[in-house]
This record gives sequence, C-alpha cells and structure tokens, in this order.
Amino acid sequence: ETGVTQTPRHLVMGMTNKKSLKCEQHLGHNAMYWYKQSAKKPLELMFVYSLEERVENNSVPSRFSPECPNSSHLFLHLHTLQPEDSALYLCASSQGDRDQETQYFGPGTRLLVL
Amino acid sequence: AQKVTQAQTEISVVEKEDVTLDCVYETRDTTYYLFWYKQPPSGELVFLIRRNSFDEQNEISGRYSWNFQKSTSSFNFTITASQVVDSAVYFCALSVWGAQKLVFGQGTRLTINP
Repeated sequence: ETGVTQTPRHLVMGMTNKKSLKCEQHLGHNAMYWYKQSAKKPLELMFVYSLEERVENNSVPSRFSPECPNSSHLFLHLHTLQPEDSALYLCASSQGDRDQETQYFGPGTRLLVL
Repeated sequence: AQKVTQAQTEISVVEKEDVTLDCVYETRDTTYYLFWYKQPPSGELVFLIRRNSFDEQNEISGRYSWNFQKSTSSFNFTITASQVVDSAVYFCALSVWGAQKLVFGQGTRLTINP
C-alpha cells in the first residue's frame, strides 16, 4: 500500500456503540492528523501528533479519543457519539519538519451516527 | 490568527472553458505556506501545490496555473481548457512557519459540464 490509508471507509453506529477509526501512513512521516469535515463547514483540525506525542487538541469533546502507538499508525476511538458527529473523518500525515508541512490525506471514513 | 476565504461557493462551466478559483488569505506571519487541494467525490484530499511566502513566481503545471500576489493576499488557481474530470471541490489552505496546522477555506465546488 502507498500513501495514507484509512479503515473503515464507511461506518454506521448507534449512539451507544464504541468503534475505532484507523489510519496508516506509508510515507515515512513523523506527524499525523485527524480532521473532521461536516457538510457546509470548513475542515476542522481535531488532533495533531508529532513523533507519537499529541501536540494539539482543538477542544474536541472527550467522546473522541485519539491514539498514536507509533509514527505510522493513528487511531480515533469513538464512544457515545451524537448524531451531529456524523461527518467525513480525514487522516493526514506530514514530514514533521517545520519547513516541510505539506500534508497528505487519506480517503476518509464516512461516519453516520444514528 | 489566520484565515482563508474562498468567496465562490459553487462554479459551473462548460467543458473547455477556462475557470479561475479565488483564494484570499489573512496572516500576520511573514513566513507562511499556501496550498491548493482537490477533493473529488471519493473524498480524498489530493495535494496540488504548495508555495511559500518568499516565492511569488507564478506556476504552471499542464492545464493548471497559480497566481500568487502578496500585495492583494491572494493565491488564485486557474484551470485552462477545463475537463469533466476536473469536477471536484477545491480547497485553498494556509499554514504558518512552525505551526503544524492547516487553515482551510470553505472550498469551491467546481462542476464541469460536458
């Protein structure tokens, strides 16, 4: 596989479920990101990990819990979500060098919360 | 704070027409980077171009060209001889040096009709 991959591509869950989104990058990058894309809203940065440490958390509700076990993998654990959390969740990675901040994105996970 | 404005929400043209997508940005930083991404219906954000604030040379890549003007804080994107495959949502984004964060515009939905 090349680039950034995300699984699953589609997910339907109830508000009481617990699920996880997975992201894997094959680019040798050191930084990984979670973004949320809702209808009619700009892309919102949720979390940033650099060298497996969280460096930014944009006031995301605690029902979203990220995990970065190594520089190639990033997870987003979901629990007790709300219908308004339905969105496209995009993962991205970048070199991590401050002068090389082009982010490369995965195909996203389309999440529907019922 | 940084801000990116894409005033054109939707554009629809006939195939082979030229089309320009506007992007205006705001930042007080002197070192920053500007990006364009393409998001086809599949959802993945595809990186198109990255420019740094010290390089105002316009760039051409095939049918794509970019016009960066610091005097007007604009970074416009032109597609020449548009094709149906160019139909997508296009995002302009900004990051400042040292910050692992992309600030996106609202996006412009481009439809190329045959």
